[in-house]
Amino acid sequence: GQNIDQPTEMTATEGAIVQINCTYQTSGFNGLFWYQQHAGEAPTFLSYNVLDGLEEKGRFSSFLSRSKGYSYLLLKELQMKDSASYLCAAMDSNYQLIWGAGTKLIIKP
Amino acid sequence: GAVVSQHPSRVICKSGTSVKIECRSLDFQATTMFWYRQFPKQSLMLMATSNEGSKATYEQGVEKDKFLINHASLTLSTLTVTSAHPEDSSFYICSAPPLAGALPNEQFFGPGTRLTVL
Repeated sequence: GQNIDQPTEMTATEGAIVQINCTYQTSGFNGLFWYQQHAGEAPTFLSYNVLDGLEEKGRFSSFLSRSKGYSYLLLKELQMKDSASYLCAAMDSNYQLIWGAGTKLIIKP
Repeated sequence: GAVVSQHPSRVICKSGTSVKIECRSLDFQATTMFWYRQFPKQSLMLMATSNEGSKATYEQGVEKDKFLINHASLTLSTLTVTSAHPEDSSFYICSAPPLAGALPNEQFFGPGTRLTVL
């Protein structure tokens, strides 16, 4: 079956760095997405990886290892507004997104 | 980027009534739209794929007679929750997948509709 695993909740300190891991199993693979979702809102796109390696975009970076079925989202210089759920989603061979349950990130001052 | 709108953003209804949720692509045509449901602290669950001009494709376990989907035009898909019950209370989100030739990361989401059934 198809499956996405990510931690349920993480806590970090303002100004610090946090890494959110995601492992996936899908029927075929057309890329790995990270979305940010604040409570009561729709997800917003953060990053997309389809090749192995690290993609950096400002304070956020995303890494992919296709052979390991593994990705992580790295958030640097954490701000209070980064408190949200972070959803990992893998796109299968039918271009459908398989979603993880999300990681709730709590930022403390 | 392209915009997807949903209406209403919030709706409260009595048990047994029907509720219609609209999903519109504002500046592009979408032959396919996805309807998701999200319960608190859970992931997005794909309910059905809406296809313009043909029947929707429902995921396993989703009652097609309860969740009616109509994709009447290239810019509008509607989800009607019929005879709603409190357990149908959830956050409903639509999305339009990448257009032909577009990058896969261009998945456009609507802002979501919060349904509360009393």
